Amino acid sequence: KQEVTQIPAALSVPEGENLVLNCSFTDSAIYNLQWFRQDPGKGLTSLLLIQSSQREQTSGRLNASLDKSSGRSTLYIAASQPGDSATYLCANSGGSNYKLTFGKGTLLTVNP
Amino acid sequence: DAGVTQSPTHLIKTRGQQVTLRCSPISGHKSVSWYQQVLGQGPQFIFQYYEKEERGRGNFPDRFSARQFPNYSSELNVNALLLGDSALYLCASSRKGQKNTEAFFGQGTRLTVV
Repeated sequence: KQEVTQIPAALSVPEGENLVLNCSFTDSAIYNLQWFRQDPGKGLTSLLLIQSSQREQTSGRLNASLDKSSGRSTLYIAASQPGDSATYLCANSGGSNYKLTFGKGTLLTVNP
Repeated sequence: DAGVTQSPTHLIKTRGQQVTLRCSPISGHKSVSWYQQVLGQGPQFIFQYYEKEERGRGNFPDRFSARQFPNYSSELNVNALLLGDSALYLCASSRKGQKNTEAFFGQGTRLTVV
C-alpha cells in the first residue's frame, strides 16, 4: 500500500527566504508525482507535474525534483512571498486505477 | 476556459439523509475522479470514471456511488449520511484516464452533516 509522508507538517519563514518542502513515498512504482497548493477551505491548484521518467520540473520560482529510487520528492520555493502562504500537498499516481495518493501536506506561513 | 466546476459549494444535511454532488470537468477532459478530504488530512480517493465507466474505487462503503454522463459531467451520491461524512468533497478532471496526465481540481463542496 502506497504511503506518502510530508515533512515538516508546518513551516514558518520570513519573506524572501528560500525553502524546501519534502515528500517521501513507500512504493517507487509510480507514474508521476504532482505538487498542489491549497488555500484554506478551497480546492487544489496544480503547481507542477513530474512524470516518472523525469528528474525535475520548474515553473517560475518553483522547482520540484523526483528521485524514484529513494522514494523522495522536494519542492523548492525561491524568494518566498506572503502570498505563498498555503498548504502544499504532494501526491503520486500509481496502480491500475491511476488514483492519486496524497500526503497530509505542509502548512507554509511566510511572514512579511 | 472554465476550470473544473462543482456544485453546490456548501451543503448542510441531517444524519440519515441522502446527498448528490455535481462536477463538470474541463472542456475536452474525459476522466473525472472524486476525493474526500477531512480536516487536517490529505484527500482520499473515492472513485474514478473514464468514458462513463468506473475505472477505480477507493476504500469507501457502498453508501457512496457515482456516475458519469455522456457530456462527461459526474455526480457523487452518498446515502444514509453519517456525521463522519462531513468533509470537503473534491472533483478532479484529466484529459485521459491514463498514468501520465495531470489532474486539475475544482473548488470542492463542503458537506456538513448534523
